[in-house]
Amino acid sequence: KQEVTQIPAALSVPEGENLVLNCSFTDSAIYNLQWFRQDPGKGLTSLLLIQSSQREQTSGRLNASLDKSSGRSTLYIAASQPGDSATYLCAASGSARQLTFGSGTQLTVLP
Amino acid sequence: NAGVTQTPKFRVLKTGQSMTLLCAQDMNHEYMYWYRQDPGMGLRLIHYSVGEGTTAKGEVPDGYNVSRLKKQNFLLGLESAAPSQTSVYFCASSRMGQATSGANVLTFGAGSRLTVL
Repeated sequence: KQEVTQIPAALSVPEGENLVLNCSFTDSAIYNLQWFRQDPGKGLTSLLLIQSSQREQTSGRLNASLDKSSGRSTLYIAASQPGDSATYLCAASGSARQLTFGSGTQLTVLP
Repeated sequence: NAGVTQTPKFRVLKTGQSMTLLCAQDMNHEYMYWYRQDPGMGLRLIHYSVGEGTTAKGEVPDGYNVSRLKKQNFLLGLESAAPSQTSVYFCASSRMGQATSGANVLTFGAGSRLTVL
């Protein structure tokens, strides 16, 4: 059974700092790894999707990497802004043909 | 530009009551999903559908039923609500299944907050 872990559960950084969010998964036979953003009281918004054949994906200030052999993915946020404050969730699709979500990292960017 | 719409957004039930959550998508997606989100936990899949007229169990299906009579709608039913079903429910859809190798982003609704007393 796929298990996805995100550490830390919460993170506070000053505005302008570069930061990395971590995601680990137990089943390396994944089809893709997705990163989502969730604002309080809202649904999830897809940020980046990395196919199993890819090593990374970039969108603006965001860069996500995937290392299947070690069961890890990272989300790099450059020059963080207060508007980046949200909960970030990763999800991996494993052999169960379903997405398994981590519990998220709550990010606060302080002005 | 609606995407995925969930109704109702909030509902309070008493133990033993029944209700249905409605999810509607306008993107012609084949796959639809119902998740629940509880504090400190990731989203857990309740049921999903791979196309009109089909449904399948997810990770936590007990106490829930679903139907997909039309491609654009996916209904989640609670026949006899229990306090353990207090949660935020999210519907999502995708063009293809998560086991495919092509790009396959999930689109989520805004959520339905259910409280069972």
